[in-house]
Amino acid sequence: AQTVTQSQPEMSVQEAETVTLSCTYDTSESDYYLFWYKQPPSRQMILVIRQEAYKQQNATENRFSVNFQKAAKSFSLKISDSQLGDAAMYFCAYRSSESGTYKYIFGTGTRLKVLA
Amino acid sequence: EAGVAQSPRYKIIEKRQSVAFWCNPISGHATLYWYQQILGQGPKLLIQFQNNGVVDDSQLPKDRFSAERLKGVDSTLKIQPAKLEDSAVYLCASSLRILSSSYNEQFFGPGTRLTVL
Repeated sequence: AQTVTQSQPEMSVQEAETVTLSCTYDTSESDYYLFWYKQPPSRQMILVIRQEAYKQQNATENRFSVNFQKAAKSFSLKISDSQLGDAAMYFCAYRSSESGTYKYIFGTGTRLKVLA
Repeated sequence: EAGVAQSPRYKIIEKRQSVAFWCNPISGHATLYWYQQILGQGPKLLIQFQNNGVVDDSQLPKDRFSAERLKGVDSTLKIQPAKLEDSAVYLCASSLRILSSSYNEQFFGPGTRLTVL
């Protein structure tokens, strides 16, 4: 069975600085998707960035980028030029692309605090 | 485009009582998910529907939880009877389809926060 591990319960970053959130996963599949979701306090979860496992190039969305290391099963999120609005819970998630139910598996989350 | 709607937003009940949550997915989305998010944890999938059929309910505690999506649009999740450990946020999400290896973005609703006393 697939698992997703986020070993950092909480991280802090100074405004305008860069922070990296870690995620590791375990799977025997070769094709899958990985995601980072953001859940602001009392607000709904939104997708930040996704990575397809068969693509070697790391995904980038404006200030958000990932470091995808398939062999190491590592998927970290880098937030550059951190802003106060980035403060939230961040969840790493896995989704299979092979036949089946394609269900999502989430990590336990990392709470990011942005200091002014 | 309207997002995923959920109601109620908050619910407080006594243990052993029943409760129901409602979800209306984004128009045209065939796939609907119910997640349970206990405080300090990530969302855990309870059940997923493709149209009005159940695709996966392997983590649904079927002795007390039930869910339906009769017309393939909106859905209800019921707990009967509730236990203290059911206190959590119940999230509904939808996507265009799942039975495909291609990606369809999953959109979340605001959730229903359940407190069982």
